[in-house]
Amino acid sequence: AQKVTQAQTEISVVEKEDVTLDCVYETRDTTYYLFWYKQPPSGELVFLIRRNSFDEQNEISGRYSWNFQKSTSSFNFTITASQVVDSAVYFCALRPGSARQLTFGSGTQLTVLP
Amino acid sequence: ETGVTQTPRHLVMGMTNKKSLKCEQHLGHNAMYWYKQSAKKPLELMFVYSLEERVENNSVPSRFSPECPNSSHLFLHLHTLQPEDSALYLCASSQESLAGAQETQYFGPGTRLLVL
Repeated sequence: AQKVTQAQTEISVVEKEDVTLDCVYETRDTTYYLFWYKQPPSGELVFLIRRNSFDEQNEISGRYSWNFQKSTSSFNFTITASQVVDSAVYFCALRPGSARQLTFGSGTQLTVLP
Repeated sequence: ETGVTQTPRHLVMGMTNKKSLKCEQHLGHNAMYWYKQSAKKPLELMFVYSLEERVENNSVPSRFSPECPNSSHLFLHLHTLQPEDSALYLCASSQESLAGAQETQYFGPGTRLLVL
């Protein structure tokens, strides 16, 4: 069975602060994919990143960075110099091998205050 | 238009009504999905269509009836719903290879449904 845990239900920061969203996953599959999605108030889930289980390199995209550590089954997401537009619910998700089903965490509501 | 679109964006219906949700993807994908997002619950996969065939049905009540007439369109027909069916219904699409390898799922904006 797959499981994704996002222990932080809500986080509030002031603009320009850095913030890290935690994601811990459980799976018995050796091949799997991890995702982060952003859900602004409009409702659409916006794809941010996908990593496969064989690629532990950290990734940086602008103000966003991701830290994938298989040893701790974590895939954390950091926003540097946060902005008000970053306010949204962020979901971490897991998909094993060739399965179709995404297992989502419960999401972290991030509020960035001006 | 680009990406995945859904109509209507908001829907209010009574328990005896029949309505349909529509999803259209403009990404050339061959797999489409319906998800349900209720308050305080993780997203739940409802149905998956691959190459216009339903390949997954996650124990969804029969009052929800999906239809996939072609690889670009997906419908969710609703009838005699219950108030607990009120939720955000999200459509997604992805590309699936013949070997079954899955690519990233891209989501539409959702239909926010309220059942009275």
